[in-house]
Parts: sequence; C-alpha cells; structure tokens
Amino acid sequence: NAGVTQTPKFRILKIGQSMTLQCAQDMNHNYMYWYRQDPGMGLKLIYYSVGAGITDKGEVPNGYNVSRSTTEDFPLRLELAAPSQTSVYFCASSYSPGLAGVVDTQYFGPGTRLTVL
Amino acid sequence: AQTVTQSQPEMSVQEAETVTLSCTYDTSENNYYLFWYKQPPSRQMILVIRQEAYKQQNATENRFSVNFQKAAKSFSLKISDSQLGDTAMYFCAFGSMGQGNLIFGKGTKLSVKP
Repeated sequence: NAGVTQTPKFRILKIGQSMTLQCAQDMNHNYMYWYRQDPGMGLKLIYYSVGAGITDKGEVPNGYNVSRSTTEDFPLRLELAAPSQTSVYFCASSYSPGLAGVVDTQYFGPGTRLTVL
Repeated sequence: AQTVTQSQPEMSVQEAETVTLSCTYDTSENNYYLFWYKQPPSRQMILVIRQEAYKQQNATENRFSVNFQKAAKSFSLKISDSQLGDTAMYFCAFGSMGQGNLIFGKGTKLSVKP
C-alpha cells in the first residue's frame, strides 16, 4: 500500500493563478480531509469528504474548492491564488469519523508546500 | 467548540533521558479520542499514540506513554530513553465522536541533544 499520496511536493504560484493539489489513497477509506499548516501553527481543516459525491466545509474553506468523484481521490482546487494561501497542505484519510462509536486514526500524506508570490 | 493547548513551544532533552510534553484541551463532550502526532523535518505527520476517553488505562507504545487526566482535561506525552530520531514537532489532537476532523494544538518543538 502506498497509503496517502500527494502531488506536487512543492509549487510556486503567482497571485491570481489557479492550481489543483492532488490527493489519493489506496486504503479504501471513506473519509478524506484537507488541512493547511501555517508556520508555527497546528493544522486547520479546509474541507472534508465522507464519501464519493459528498463534501463539506471545514474551518478555513474560503478560496478553495473540492470534489470527490471516487473513493480514492480528493483534489483541492485553489482559484485566484493569494499570498495568504502560502502554506503547507496536508491530505489525510480515515476509515470512520466516529459515527460507529470510534474515532479512527487519520493517515496523512507527505504534504505540498505552496508559495504564492 | 473544542480547543487544544500546548503551552510549551520548544523543549530539549539529552539523549537517553525522559521528557514530558504537555497538552490540555477543552470540551463539553464525554466521549472522544486524543492523539499525539509527530512531525519530523520531513514534514510527514506520523501517529505516535492514541487514547480513548472512556478508557481509564493510559495508552503505551514502546517508549511513548501518556498521562490522561480526564477531569483535568490533560493529556501529556512521556518519551522515555529519548533518541536523536525523536527530534520533531509534536502535535496534540482532539477527535470528537461523529465529527470527522481533528482539532490540533500549535505543537511543541522537541530537540534531542547528543
């Protein structure tokens, strides 16, 4: 198993450009998440998905969009990039969010470091 | 809303010694999970240990153990026999039943010195 994979590892964008961060998992997890990590801070949730076709906003969704057409993939779209979106982005997945009485461990990808200039 | 506080931005420890990282949290829920994640310079987030709130017994994973004080809402991580490879950022995280995401603290940067 590759676990959670993310591409690219690094990217520099100009203000106003758009891009898609790719995330895939091969563990057949139903839940997937996008977090951002700003310098000196913990991770904050951008969007999450409970399964194919279902997504919901997290704490900091502005400036981002997501889609989930398959169980495996959960891309994050940045429209009109701004310097405030300079951050490290992590994708994660888990089997269960806790509805069955268990909060499953989240498994993280290696992250994408994005700089907007 | 739940919050997680890590009051030690940085700590250091000599190799082979023991160090304890602090974490406190705030919640009105009775059932939840707590996690410690390690983030080495590679940036990869790695699960260190997890604790279910309904279990009174403290979780242990090899050299890593927790001191879970539910009434005090405290969840500290003890690392015994510290190794150079333990140098990393350590994040405490709270997981709520029925809620998908984790709430993270700001992290503690641990340096293990030879």
